[in-house]
Amino acid sequence: QKEVEQDPGPLSVPEGAIVSLNCTYSNSAFQYFMWYRQYSRKGPELLMYTYSSGNKEDGRFTAQVDKSSKYISLFIRDSQPSDSATYLCAMSPLRGSARQLTFGSGTQLTVLP
Amino acid sequence: DSGVTQTPKHLITATGQRVTLRCSPRSGDLSVYWYQQSLDQGLQFLIQYYNGEERAKGNILERFSAQQFPDLHSELNLSSLELGDSALYFCASSVDEGTDTQYFGPGTRLTVL
Repeated sequence: QKEVEQDPGPLSVPEGAIVSLNCTYSNSAFQYFMWYRQYSRKGPELLMYTYSSGNKEDGRFTAQVDKSSKYISLFIRDSQPSDSATYLCAMSPLRGSARQLTFGSGTQLTVLP
Repeated sequence: DSGVTQTPKHLITATGQRVTLRCSPRSGDLSVYWYQQSLDQGLQFLIQYYNGEERAKGNILERFSAQQFPDLHSELNLSSLELGDSALYFCASSVDEGTDTQYFGPGTRLTVL
């Protein structure tokens, strides 16, 4: 069983829809949670990160963490065709001198105009 | 543009061969990370260097090795290549070894025939 599970999709939504992307994890040592966006043939780009349970908002993006359920989500409001990409969740333990990120497999999102 | 550069962009080689991938971190970043991204395994952490010293190892094969030079650029050496080594190889950098944000380069696409 993988430490981080992510629904691979693909997910296709109309422009303006609210998108929900989710990951579950099994390692309770994970304390730091990130979402990356990866456009085709490009490197991953950090969207958001959070340490604590609850919600963190940044423009149209909201990251939600529920440590008790070991579940994280990324919500995209008013989705745009430019949001079409693969979204990767990533996690790491806070302790230690190195940030070894464990990634989910990615969810491919297409926003249709 | 993340500021991380990787060369070459594409590499096609044969089984049994050896290749070297190069990464230049963002200006001022001391830590370099290498990742492998394949369709079946997703994005996997390979190894991390900080200011020339190895800091963490992930699922890196013994046929693979890396180093970080005094000018902070890094090289990933892959030897005795197999078909299964075909993947995207990403380099990421961060300011220090424990910081939150890793910036990814555009990747090197390796094809082993």
